[in-house]
Amino acid sequence: KAGVTQTPRYLIKTRGQQVTLSCSPISGHRSVSWYQQTPGQGLQFLFEYFSETQRNKGNFPGRFSGRQFSNSRSEMNVSTLELGDSALYLCASSSNGGYATQETQYFGPGTRLLVL
Amino acid sequence: AQKITQTQPGMFVQEKEAVTLDCTYDTSDQSYGLFWYKQPSSGEMIFLIYQGSYDEQNATEGRYSLNFQKARKSANLVISASQLGDSAMYFCAMREADSGGYQKVTFGTGTKLQVIP
Repeated sequence: KAGVTQTPRYLIKTRGQQVTLSCSPISGHRSVSWYQQTPGQGLQFLFEYFSETQRNKGNFPGRFSGRQFSNSRSEMNVSTLELGDSALYLCASSSNGGYATQETQYFGPGTRLLVL
Repeated sequence: AQKITQTQPGMFVQEKEAVTLDCTYDTSDQSYGLFWYKQPSSGEMIFLIYQGSYDEQNATEGRYSLNFQKARKSANLVISASQLGDSAMYFCAMREADSGGYQKVTFGTGTKLQVIP
């Protein structure tokens, strides 16, 4: 099976712009979670989508949004970019998401976003 | 309080030696899952090993084993016979139910392991 794929891998934007990141989960996985990773804050949970519905959300401002399509592919959007949004954005997929402790998340390679 | 604590920001190990990466966790749940991930400099998080709270045996996956001490709430990763390719960041994570019954995953701050030839 192909792993989780994320596009683009690298992105440079300027403050005030918006950006859309894409994630394709492992075939058959219905849950997609997004994380932001920075040196200062570590790995922080953004949100999770399951069957096109946002099932859980982390503590991020409304500038961060996402959606999931019927084929389980997910997109994440950040509007009005700030310098502090520079980070590695990781997407993870799992079979069913949040109702089983043994459910393993498999991560994609990430998108490195630099905001100038 | 931190849910997952990794007290070793960085560690060195000689090639072919074993190394233990520490992880302690905090939860009042009886049912939870513990995971270890490896993150090379490329950025991708690679799943290594899983331990369930009800598992009586320590999990093992090849050169990786998880030293699970439930009473002490620790889940240390042991890498045997270290290889140069093991140089990476290692993250401990826990999945537990929140107040709504939904399983959330929390990650530790990571340990940077460097294998010396």
